[in-house]
Amino acid sequence: DSGVTQTPKHLITATGQRVTLRCSPRSGDLSVYWYQQSLDQGLQFLIQYYNGEERAKGNILERFSAQQFPDLHSELNLSSLELGDSALYFCASSPRTGGRETQYFGPGTRLLVL
Amino acid sequence: AQSVTQPDIHITVSEGASLELRCNYSYGATPYLFWYVQSPGQGLQLLLKYFSGDTLVQGIKGFEAEFKRSQSSFNLRKPSVHWSDAAEYFCAVSGDSNYQLIWGAGTKLIIKP
Repeated sequence: DSGVTQTPKHLITATGQRVTLRCSPRSGDLSVYWYQQSLDQGLQFLIQYYNGEERAKGNILERFSAQQFPDLHSELNLSSLELGDSALYFCASSPRTGGRETQYFGPGTRLLVL
Repeated sequence: AQSVTQPDIHITVSEGASLELRCNYSYGATPYLFWYVQSPGQGLQLLLKYFSGDTLVQGIKGFEAEFKRSQSSFNLRKPSVHWSDAAEYFCAVSGDSNYQLIWGAGTKLIIKP
């Protein structure tokens, strides 16, 4: 158990809908990262927040947004969902920010868009 | 461009045999290298990491990896695999100027009894 929690574990929804994925980082960690894992694209970095502020952006679609709250939990919002958004979404956390930081991963949220 | 290549999609090894998983990277600056393991239905767990210094690094579960700058490689090894090592293994790279992890496609390890 990494100490990172993600809810829900599974999510089934329809195209065009909007969903929110939630992540609670390990106690004391200030950075939160979001990743998407799909069969065709592999693991892709979406976005990083550090102490409430956006720190780095990867291949995140405009339909997707995220935020980190004062209590350091984070939410990833996915809207106007398409079939291709079906994937495993991981959240990770680290104590600080920087290339040397070890990222601790949650168990993921499996999203299925029908 | 920054990238990580894991040339083997699948590897099958007999239980008790040695293992080597290959990882090659392309990175313009000093790379920080990581190996993660993903068991079925689980998240990713860090096995080991390399930042600098001794090029042979030891990790958890009896794994080790060797950084070879001249070959841009960071191969993962284990002298004797156990059935519980069956999983998918990911190599990743980051750096000081680019904090995000860049991932390889992963290698699925299958253990033959």
